[in-house]
Amino acid sequence: GDSVTQMEGPVTLSEEAFLTINCTYTATGYPSLFWYVQYPGEGLQLLLKATKADDKGSNKGFEATYRKETTSFHLEKGSVQVSDSAVYFCATNSGYSTLTFGKGTMLLVSP
Amino acid sequence: DTEVTQTPKHLVMGMTNKKSLKCEQHMGHRAMYWYKQKAKKPPELMFVYSYEKLSINESVPSRFSPECPNSSLLNLHLHALQPEDSALYLCASRPTGGRGANVLTFGAGSRLTVL
Repeated sequence: GDSVTQMEGPVTLSEEAFLTINCTYTATGYPSLFWYVQYPGEGLQLLLKATKADDKGSNKGFEATYRKETTSFHLEKGSVQVSDSAVYFCATNSGYSTLTFGKGTMLLVSP
Repeated sequence: DTEVTQTPKHLVMGMTNKKSLKCEQHMGHRAMYWYKQKAKKPPELMFVYSYEKLSINESVPSRFSPECPNSSLLNLHLHALQPEDSALYLCASRPTGGRGANVLTFGAGSRLTVL
């Protein structure tokens, strides 16, 4: 079955630092890839997605590129803010029905 | 309307109680999901409904009983729960066709505490 591996957290950064959260996946067929974000006490929100190789998803300054050759979908942001503090989940689906999530990476940004 | 609305936001219940969680969406999505999320863990799939019919049950104990009375509404009936069932219960929905067909939209969750 599908699986997603994310870097362990927490990731602790100062405001305006560069962020990378690594994500690799194994999946059958032609999966879509997603990053979801969960702010404290809330549900999951879709941050960005990519549906085919070399697609770049972007939103709110975050970016991730679907790399089929390395089976990766690393999340990056050039300058993080305190308000970006949250848990980030990488996910894949190789069919339409369900998502397979990584374990999540907590990001803590200090002023 | 682009939201999935879950009620209640918080629920405390005893092990002998019967309660229900409710989820509603008016986006025309015909696939709806229940997930369970424990603290510091990713969501775990419980049930999937497609066109108001149960299509996936991830071997969930029978003390959790889902119901999809119409295309906009999804319920999760709770009975004789255990303290280890305390968690955040997330509802999600997705369209069944078109460009966004593989994107799940999540609600804010119902936080359940079983005493």
